[in-house]
Amino acid sequence: AQTVTQSQPEMSVQEAETVTLSCTYDTSESDYYLFWYKQPPSRQMILVIRQEAYKQQNATENRFSVNFQKAAKSFSLKISDSQLGDAAMYFCAVSGSARQLTFGSGTQLTVLP
Amino acid sequence: DADVTQTPRNRITKTGKRIMLECSQTKGHDRMYWYRQDPGLGLRLIYYSFDVKDINKGEISDGYSVSRQAQAKFSLSLESAIPNQTALYFCATSDSRAPDPTDTQYFGPGTRLTVL
Repeated sequence: AQTVTQSQPEMSVQEAETVTLSCTYDTSESDYYLFWYKQPPSRQMILVIRQEAYKQQNATENRFSVNFQKAAKSFSLKISDSQLGDAAMYFCAVSGSARQLTFGSGTQLTVLP
Repeated sequence: DADVTQTPRNRITKTGKRIMLECSQTKGHDRMYWYRQDPGLGLRLIYYSFDVKDINKGEISDGYSVSRQAQAKFSLSLESAIPNQTALYFCATSDSRAPDPTDTQYFGPGTRLTVL
């Protein structure tokens, strides 16, 4: 079984500042993948970034990057130069060999102008 | 046009009624999934299908059934709806044949279901 824990139900950040969202996970799989999805008020689930667990290099996508600590089973998301459009619920997820996604409970991010 | 569509987008029904939620995709993906989202719980997997003849139960399949009518269509049914099935339901797809090894899932817009 896989579990994902997001310990920050809510966070806020000033526009143009940097914020880090935390995620820890547990899995017995040796081959797995990690994802961050965002869900804006439109409720659409949008992929933000993904990481292959066998890769040591942290993934980056424009202003979004991750800090993947495999031994600690930690997968945090850093958003740089935060924009008003980044306001959303962010979900961390892990998938194993069966490719089923297990999600955390989410972090609601507010961006303050 | 959206790659993954869900119908209806919103639905209100009564306890005991049968209801079907439909999902269609034009992405050509072979894998399809149904999730439900409840406040404070994230998304949980109901059923998933790796191809038309391969359907599997997820974490919370009790009270639900599915049908994979074609590669592009995957329906979720509630045979006798109950109030605790009130939730946001998402369909997702992925391509096991893609160069990307992560089998990334792409989501539809969701169906908000209310059972009175």
